[in-house]
Amino acid sequence: KAGVTQTPRYLIKTRGQQVTLSCSPISGHRSVSWYQQTPGQGLQFLFEYFSETQRNKGNFPGRFSGRQFSNSRSEMNVSTLELGDSALYLCASSLGGAITEAFFGQGTRLTVV
Amino acid sequence: GESVGLHLPTLSVQEGDNSIINCAYSNSASDYFIWYKQESGKGPQFIIDIRSNMDKRQGQRVTVLLNKTVKHLSLQIAATQPGDSAVYFCAENRPGAGNMLTFGGGTRLMVKP
Repeated sequence: KAGVTQTPRYLIKTRGQQVTLSCSPISGHRSVSWYQQTPGQGLQFLFEYFSETQRNKGNFPGRFSGRQFSNSRSEMNVSTLELGDSALYLCASSLGGAITEAFFGQGTRLTVV
Repeated sequence: GESVGLHLPTLSVQEGDNSIINCAYSNSASDYFIWYKQESGKGPQFIIDIRSNMDKRQGQRVTVLLNKTVKHLSLQIAATQPGDSAVYFCAENRPGAGNMLTFGGGTRLMVKP
């Protein structure tokens, strides 16, 4: 069974640009959550999608958005990039419904210059 | 918002010894807890989970203990190996939060051969 796949693995963007990251969950999993990991703030929850609907949202500005498709794949978008958005963005896949084990992908390392 | 122990202490142990990694959580409503292991350049790897109706759960070489009275979680690793060297995170979930996880700051485990 394939794990969680995140693409791309690495990105370098310029301030003011926008970026889209992709996550393919484990087959059969319907919940996808996104996290931002930085040395200073640790792992912080961005949002969760379940059955194409945003179920929970963390304390991030509106520049951070996401969506989920009917095949459970998810994308997150960050607009008007700032230097502080440089981070490892992680996607977690869960069966959905009630809380169960969440499995993470390798992450996308975003560097904003 | 509420957090789970934001700091990154380091635990150094000798190969073959047992390791105990601790985590304090602040939300008394939390009812599901997970331990993750993160190696450099990789996403967090699921180790073991426990629900609040249990005090202890065992896996292969790992045991998680939950003390709800003092809101404390610990991960015990038996016969620690060099491959156990990584950063370990605890995470919690509470009812109504879907699959949203709140992470602690992590503990770095260093295993000396």
